Amino acid sequence: DVKVTQSSRYLVKRTGEKVFLECVQDMDHENMFWYRQDPGLGLRLIYFSYDVKMKEKGDIPEGYSVSREKKERFSLILESASTNQTSMYLCASSLGPYNEQFFGPGTRLTVL
Amino acid sequence: QQQVKQSPQSLIVQKGGIPIINCAYENTAFDYFPWYQQFPGKGPALLIAIRPDVSEKKEGRFTISFNKSAKQFSLHIMDSQPGDSATYFCAASSHKLIFGTGTRLQVFP
Repeated sequence: DVKVTQSSRYLVKRTGEKVFLECVQDMDHENMFWYRQDPGLGLRLIYFSYDVKMKEKGDIPEGYSVSREKKERFSLILESASTNQTSMYLCASSLGPYNEQFFGPGTRLTVL
Repeated sequence: QQQVKQSPQSLIVQKGGIPIINCAYENTAFDYFPWYQQFPGKGPALLIAIRPDVSEKKEGRFTISFNKSAKQFSLHIMDSQPGDSATYFCAASSHKLIFGTGTRLQVFP
């Protein structure tokens, strides 16, 4: 059974903290994605990676960075968390750009 | 800039009804149009997808209708069931997925 796991389901951080969200997939997929989901805005792409050490900005990359040192792991980094980054963060992976994306269960991040 | 517009925002139907969710896009380079279904507490999961060379695709009770000239596509759920209650997202892609804003569907017994 295919699986995308995210390190935390719920996370509470303080403004200004550095935050790491981890995502691991066991499907040997080339592509990995980070989205944020907000009510009324749908899913918005933050960053994606199509290969190890490769990354590309999505639609809302400001305030975020990513790291992909190994094929199975894709990390989202909030260098200095702010309250407007309170959101649900979803990680996904796919074999290719036109293949099904498999999503993790999400991390609900609250920044106080 | 919302490249994929989805409506309605929410939808309530009775069991057996046929909810219809509509999406419109602007970018003619889009060539892959999936629908994702999301249950509370879960990540979205692919439900059905279509490419623009066909006008309709059916999988079980779920049908996508696609109108290339109008740049619109829609999801129909036949004989809807309470278990279909979820949030549905349309999306469009050329090399990355652009999602619509989602439709929360509630099917009452």
